[in-house]
Amino acid sequence: EAGVVQSPRYKIIEKKQPVAFWCNPISGHNTLYWYLQNLGQGPELLIRYENEEAVDDSQLPKDRFSAERLKGVDSTLKIQPAELGDSAVYLCASSLAAGGLGMQYFGPGTRLTVL
Amino acid sequence: QKEVEQNSGPLSVPEGAIASLNCTYSDRGSQSFFWYRQYSGKSPELIMSIYSNGDKEDGRFTAQLNKASQYVSLLIRDSQPSDSATYLCAVNRGYGNNRLAFGKGNQVVVIP
Repeated sequence: EAGVVQSPRYKIIEKKQPVAFWCNPISGHNTLYWYLQNLGQGPELLIRYENEEAVDDSQLPKDRFSAERLKGVDSTLKIQPAELGDSAVYLCASSLAAGGLGMQYFGPGTRLTVL
Repeated sequence: QKEVEQNSGPLSVPEGAIASLNCTYSDRGSQSFFWYRQYSGKSPELIMSIYSNGDKEDGRFTAQLNKASQYVSLLIRDSQPSDSATYLCAVNRGYGNNRLAFGKGNQVVVIP
């Protein structure tokens, strides 16, 4: 069974530039998450989708971050414009429907460097 | 108070010894508990889940949960150099609210 797929794996951009990350969850997983992980810290949730609906985006900085999951499968996370402090690893995870026991599986992540 | 706390510094254990990791959480309503292993430069990998008080064993790993005291622990028996990684404790608030709160992790170094 294929795992969570993310691209790109690495991205280096200048500050104020836009950037987008793509995620394809495990087949059959209705719930998709975007996390941010800073060095030496655990992942922090940015947004959670149940199918197409964003059900928890309270931690998403909405002035510069946006996300979409149009057909309830793939998702894109965008930052515009990027700031120096956005340098981090962006992780996508997926799980079975919300009524389950919460096991989440992570993709390889995208390491973003903002110069 | 942080939702999930892992306060121990890096843990060095000799090969073959037992590594013990602890985690406390603040939300008494938490329902499910997980340990993730993260190698340097890699993403977190789920290694253990536990939902009820007591011990759960899977190979060389044992997870222990005590909801009354709000702590979760992970034991790694017969530690191997390949166990050298950061171990993240994660807590799920409950059914229908699949938001994992993570601790900052504990680094384990197994010395051959």
